Amino acid sequence: EDQVTQSPEALRLQEGESSSLNCSYTVSGLRGLFWYRQDPGKGPEFLFTLYSAGEEKEKERLKATLTKKESFLHITAPKPEDSATYLCAVQSSGSARQLTFGSGTQLTVLP
Amino acid sequence: ETGVTQTPRHLVMGMTNKKSLKCEQHLGHNAMYWYKQSAKKPLELMFVYSLEERVENNSVPSRFSPECPNSSHLFLHLHTLQPEDSALYLCASSQARTGRSGNTIYFGEGSWLTVV
Repeated sequence: EDQVTQSPEALRLQEGESSSLNCSYTVSGLRGLFWYRQDPGKGPEFLFTLYSAGEEKEKERLKATLTKKESFLHITAPKPEDSATYLCAVQSSGSARQLTFGSGTQLTVLP
Repeated sequence: ETGVTQTPRHLVMGMTNKKSLKCEQHLGHNAMYWYKQSAKKPLELMFVYSLEERVENNSVPSRFSPECPNSSHLFLHLHTLQPEDSALYLCASSQARTGRSGNTIYFGEGSWLTVV
């Protein structure tokens, strides 16, 4: 059974204070690891897909990295508008059509 | 604005009512999904329609009934729900394909359901 654990549950940063969110996973054959951003009352917004260990992807102040056991979402010099819940999900060979989600990290960036 | 549109955005229904949630995707995808998001719980897959095949989470109660008339439209029919069914119901779509790489799933804005 695929499992995803995200930490911390909540993170408060000052504007400009860089940090990282963690996503640890257990899957039987990774097809993809996905990061989403979710604002209150809205659906998850796709950020990145990572397919293999060592892969990295960047978008503005966000950078996602992947190892064989975990993924990190690095946030560099965050702004208040980066405040949201960040969700990690995995897709495995045993469940090719579905995602298994973690519980998310609620990020608050204070001005 | 996303390529997956859900209606209604908010729904309040009594336990004896029958209602439906509607989803339409404009991305040319061939797979559609219903997910449930409850407070402080991970997103939970309810149903998948992919290449005319239906896959369901066996833990979903029969009071939830999906319908997928074509690759662009998806419904979730609701009847005799319970207060604990109150949640955000998310529709999603993807381009299902074989092969080693995963396929990205895109979500709609969700339908907030309150059962009273």
